[in-house]
Amino acid sequence: SQQGEEDPQALSIQEGENATMNCSYKTSINNLQWYRQNSGRGLVHLILIRSNEREKHSGRLRVTLDTSKKSSSLLITASRAADTASYFCATDRGGQKLTFGTGTRLTIIP
Amino acid sequence: DSGVTQTPKHLITATGQRVTLRCSPRSGDLSVYWYQQSLDQGLQFLIQYYNGEERAKGNILERFSAQQFPDLHSELNLSSLELGDSALYFCASSVGQGQNIQYFGAGTRLSVL
Repeated sequence: SQQGEEDPQALSIQEGENATMNCSYKTSINNLQWYRQNSGRGLVHLILIRSNEREKHSGRLRVTLDTSKKSSSLLITASRAADTASYFCATDRGGQKLTFGTGTRLTIIP
Repeated sequence: DSGVTQTPKHLITATGQRVTLRCSPRSGDLSVYWYQQSLDQGLQFLIQYYNGEERAKGNILERFSAQQFPDLHSELNLSSLELGDSALYFCASSVGQGQNIQYFGAGTRLSVL
């Protein structure tokens, strides 16, 4: 079963615009991660945020975490065509098992 | 390149058959995870091995089994295959301690006809 739900399920924006996708989860967590998946390929880790952190940056990525609302958001600034992919949040509860959300399919229009 | 190698890339087989998927983790990673990705079920965790021992189990069917060998490579065995088993199967690896960042292979696409 999925722990997280991403919102929206699909998002299309013009190149250069910012993309925001959200993740909601159901139980308390230790860490939350975001992964990217290009069509039919393996997932690639983007960023990890711990439960005691509220915001984290990595290049053009900004992740926020609100544990009181059990939600996270991923912001990609100045989008590029190469950002076209599906994005998944994944949570863990202190063990090694990751539970993935349903994913947001992002399309960047050149 | 994640450093995780999965073979074969594609597998086409018939219902009732048995197949074996293979995964070589990144050098130094002790944990191996198997996932199934299908359109209707999303990405589902199947099973995890750490240094040869089963560590966690997810939604893995009884027809499926896995093992991790002393050289840390892992195999996922799928038997009595059904049409609904058609999916992408991913292997991922991690150090196995601390922050659980997983590195994914390119996957094996299984088609059951």
